[in-house]
Amino acid sequence: GQQVMQIPQYQHVQEGEDFTTYCNSSTTLSNIQWYKQRPGGHPVFLIQLVKSGEVKKQKRLTFQFGEAKKNSSLHITATQTTDVGTYFCALSGSARQLTFGSGTQLTVLP
Amino acid sequence: EAQVTQNPRYLITVTGKKLTVTCSQNMNHEYMSWYRQDPGLGLRQIYYSMNVEVTDKGDVPEGYKVSRKEKRNFPLILESPSPNQTSLYFCASIDRNTEAFFGQGTRLTVV
Repeated sequence: GQQVMQIPQYQHVQEGEDFTTYCNSSTTLSNIQWYKQRPGGHPVFLIQLVKSGEVKKQKRLTFQFGEAKKNSSLHITATQTTDVGTYFCALSGSARQLTFGSGTQLTVLP
Repeated sequence: EAQVTQNPRYLITVTGKKLTVTCSQNMNHEYMSWYRQDPGLGLRQIYYSMNVEVTDKGDVPEGYKVSRKEKRNFPLILESPSPNQTSLYFCASIDRNTEAFFGQGTRLTVV
């Protein structure tokens, strides 16, 4: 099945700095989702991108889907301690199967 | 309130002792799935179910069983647990837009 590479695996930032995580695929994706998992918590859906070149914003979070639909990014502007957690991208395939990236664990230093 | 409920939250067991992790959803979703989460490996799908009495293997099904006798319940069964099944397990219920709603997780330790 389709797979997605997610980088970096870990990221430490000072509070107020920006953060970006990337997902890359060798094949064209029909869509991509992003989830956030707080420490000790469960993954929570953030957004789904479907269109080529799509850009969506949620407050300080900006999600992009590449023009070729082979990559996606999540960018957080001016991180806060509440942004701490692991961010996953996920592909939905046939029969609503979700394949997750390995995640980026974000630490925000106060 | 839309919910996916997993039990137990924590479990320590011995090798070979059969166990069941329960999962229940109240959203009337047809599609449910089980994942295990291990450091550096993300979430890997164990089994999924597209509807009552319809189940299929995911990426890492060895050592696990599931059943789907009712729409709301999707238990995960480990007939003979082994230490390599020590992991964090999540049940998910997925809506028509493929948005996944996760349970709180079950941290399983097999000694």
